[in-house]
Amino acid sequence: GAVVSQHPSRVICKSGTSVKIECRSLDFQATTMFWYRQFPKQSLMLMATSNEGSKATYEQGVEKDKFLINHASLTLSTLTVTSAHPEDSSFYICSAMGLADTQYFGPGTRLTVL
Amino acid sequence: KQEVTQIPAALSVPEGENLVLNCSFTDSAIYNLQWFRQDPGKGLTSLLLIQSSQREQTSGRLNASLDKSSGRSTLYIAASQPGDSATYLCAVSGYAGNNRKLIWGLGTSLAVNP
Repeated sequence: GAVVSQHPSRVICKSGTSVKIECRSLDFQATTMFWYRQFPKQSLMLMATSNEGSKATYEQGVEKDKFLINHASLTLSTLTVTSAHPEDSSFYICSAMGLADTQYFGPGTRLTVL
Repeated sequence: KQEVTQIPAALSVPEGENLVLNCSFTDSAIYNLQWFRQDPGKGLTSLLLIQSSQREQTSGRLNASLDKSSGRSTLYIAASQPGDSATYLCAVSGYAGNNRKLIWGLGTSLAVNP
């Protein structure tokens, strides 16, 4: 149980385009989901906390207009990287909070902006 | 502000050895502590979760201990195998609201050589 999926697993896009990443909890409902990014050989950096039915809470230094988060249902949160640039290339991972406040992680999305 | 440190940063051992990975945190007021495994370019796999009221958790060849008062946790891997090669991450969470987000260490990169 407690499976989280992400789609797509890899995406390559041109600079200036927008990219949407989906995070789904497949067998449980999650009122709270988290979005992280990870640079090579570094640990995870929390970008924002996504709450179903309300606005996301962004960490300091993360541009909310750049990284749009929509938690439309109890099983789906989306992260849209708007007007992507090469410096946005990274590994994006989501997690969904389940029972006992345990976070279950998705497999990640590798974004490459050319 | 909670900070998490993992030692060593990298470890290379021959197959069959028992080994210990260390995690320390600066604020002992934690809700829980988790150990994760990350394979290169992949998402995270939760290994063990220790609630603040617990002292240790075991799963197969893995044993994690928690000493809240000293701000330390160890992950013990018995009879290591080449398949154990991965990065091991430690993360702690606080009690409520915004503090429930995970604070991460930088990880220990483990290589088990056949």
